[in-house]
Amino acid sequence: EAGVAQSPRYKIIEKRQSVAFWCNPISGHATLYWYQQILGQGPKLLIQFQNNGVVDDSQLPKDRFSAERLKGVDSTLKIQPAKLEDSAVYLCASSSHSGGVTDTQYFGPGTRLTVL
Amino acid sequence: AQSVAQPEDQVNVAEGNPLTVKCTYSVSGNPYLFWYVQYPNRGLQFLLKYITGDNLVKGSYGFEAEFNKSQTSFHLKKPSALVSDSALYFCAVRDMRGGSYIPTFGRGTSLIVHP
Repeated sequence: EAGVAQSPRYKIIEKRQSVAFWCNPISGHATLYWYQQILGQGPKLLIQFQNNGVVDDSQLPKDRFSAERLKGVDSTLKIQPAKLEDSAVYLCASSSHSGGVTDTQYFGPGTRLTVL
Repeated sequence: AQSVAQPEDQVNVAEGNPLTVKCTYSVSGNPYLFWYVQYPNRGLQFLLKYITGDNLVKGSYGFEAEFNKSQTSFHLKKPSALVSDSALYFCAVRDMRGGSYIPTFGRGTSLIVHP
């Protein structure tokens, strides 16, 4: 089966600019996750969707970050405006069920964002 | 709040020797624990998980992990390391928050296997 697709793979922007990332999960997967992975740290969950509803977004900086999954399939994550500290790899993952405890997450290759 | 600690930034081991990558956790309820591996320029890949049952969990690529409730640990092990095992390893825990199981990852341990 095809894996989780993300684009772009790399993005360089200047601070205060806007940027958007796209994720297409594995076909049929109900749960989609966005993570931020800063160099030298583990992935931090930003938002978790089940179908097109938000399960958890407690760590999403809502003043500048937004995410949507309108049709319950692919998703976009937007940053507006970007700050230097947003430089990171943004990972998308999906899992087949309801985001329950036994769910295995499948990760995409990530988008490396550099904010200058 | 749940948390995961990986006390070693880097682990070095010679090829053919056993390896251990350490992980300790803190959760309010039952622990649901995972190990992932990340190769350069690639996404994380699932290795194994502990949900309940046998304390020794076997996973992909010959890896296994031992759940120890009294020590709140979930160390990753392999009897004989390969150079190709060199990668970044992440421990993760899922805990109930707001009605859903939310994952939290450790900071990662770089495993270097020397020929």
